[in-house]
Amino acid sequence: NAGVTQTPKFQVLKTGQSMTLQCAQDMNHEYMSWYRQDPGMGLRLIHYSVGAGITDQGEVPNGYNVSRSTTEDFPLRLLSAAPSQTSVYFCASSYEPNTEAFFGQGTRLTVV
Amino acid sequence: GENVEQHPSTLSVQEGDSAVIKCTYSDSASNYFPWYKQELGKGPQLIIDIRSNVGEKKDQRIAVTLNKTAKHFSLHITETQPEDSAVYFCAASSYSSASKIIFGSGTRLSIRP
Repeated sequence: NAGVTQTPKFQVLKTGQSMTLQCAQDMNHEYMSWYRQDPGMGLRLIHYSVGAGITDQGEVPNGYNVSRSTTEDFPLRLLSAAPSQTSVYFCASSYEPNTEAFFGQGTRLTVV
Repeated sequence: GENVEQHPSTLSVQEGDSAVIKCTYSDSASNYFPWYKQELGKGPQLIIDIRSNVGEKKDQRIAVTLNKTAKHFSLHITETQPEDSAVYFCAASSYSSASKIIFGSGTRLSIRP
């Protein structure tokens, strides 16, 4: 009963490095999204996908790329990490829009 | 685009008392309003949601009210217990905005023994 699985849980990057945050769900959900959580700012939508092969930008997409080649996986790529990208990142999935979103445990990313 | 404002940012109540968290939204097309609870070190979990065709919904000690005219919705927790201590987020979405869920900034609720 895995639900939404994010890896890694913690990561430290140097400025300018690139990396991919992994997200996988086993609930056959079509809708997946990535959020970042910063103190006092709640959860801000980075990118989302309504199905395999379809992605779109959220509120704060700059500096991030996504792809959705399968229903199960929705990786988030940081192209050139910056200190402003230090945050906790959450992946979420739902069966269809405007229904319950299931969140992963989060990835705490620090860029130094 | 949609904007969701949430108040207060922190709330401390005596155990057994009620807690109320309020949110406003900007997009009149929004039709789905979920509330999430986030415990320390975990991802948010849905606790209750309401759709625009309903004015109030209740689930045991938790209730949500929606005023579409004023674009307000609120979370009410009665008979608060220590396990209610957490961060609570309101959110709004609509099919017309490609179903993007936009969250409020969160309320840290503390229950005093």
